[in-house]
Amino acid sequence: DTEVTQTPKHLVMGMTNKKSLKCEQHMGHRAMYWYKQKAKKPPELMFVYSYEKLSINESVPSRFSPECPNSSLLNLHLHALQPEDSALYLCASSQVQTGGRVGYTFGSGTRLTVV
Amino acid sequence: DAKTTQPNSMESNEEEPVHLPCNHSTISGTDYIHWYRQLPSQGPEYVIHGLTSNVNNRMASLAIAEDRKSSTLILHRATLRDAAVYYCILRADGGSQGNLIFGKGTKLSVKP
Repeated sequence: DTEVTQTPKHLVMGMTNKKSLKCEQHMGHRAMYWYKQKAKKPPELMFVYSYEKLSINESVPSRFSPECPNSSLLNLHLHALQPEDSALYLCASSQVQTGGRVGYTFGSGTRLTVV
Repeated sequence: DAKTTQPNSMESNEEEPVHLPCNHSTISGTDYIHWYRQLPSQGPEYVIHGLTSNVNNRMASLAIAEDRKSSTLILHRATLRDAAVYYCILRADGGSQGNLIFGKGTKLSVKP
């Protein structure tokens, strides 16, 4: 299995809702990442997990709450989002951070619309 | 952070080679040069990476200048499926500088 699977593919939520995005990989990768991508912009790094521990939070608002319950699964919990949070949320994984020697595998993303 | 400079857009004809340039004049000795591409409505896809020597794989070739201040991604025979945004990214060999940070990239259009 060489894929990163993200669910759901599309999500529409109200500003008072709580929802979760899910990301799963079975490649044995121990580093996992969340990115946010606005329309016609490059992806922006949000969070980095290494060995199931949060290692980087790129000053992301607390309404985004990541969770890594095991080495194959990464969640992003959403609460009280704003319309400007509407974007494509991408999950990626890689071998544990050995820097530039390895590549990342990305999922196809969850397209989130906040109404 | 070491940064890269790429043209905003390029055009190619189908079945012709494409050379996508990237300048990285402030590259450090341990920075790897990575290329990713993102097709419309999909997540980014790893293409190739290298450190000093030219690299080939089934998708593309990476030509790295001798002084490492620039590199070129070569698609040997463009197809319509190669129309995408191509990102050239420098990654340090470890630490937070080893994370994948995207710049603006080059939007490649392929004409039939």
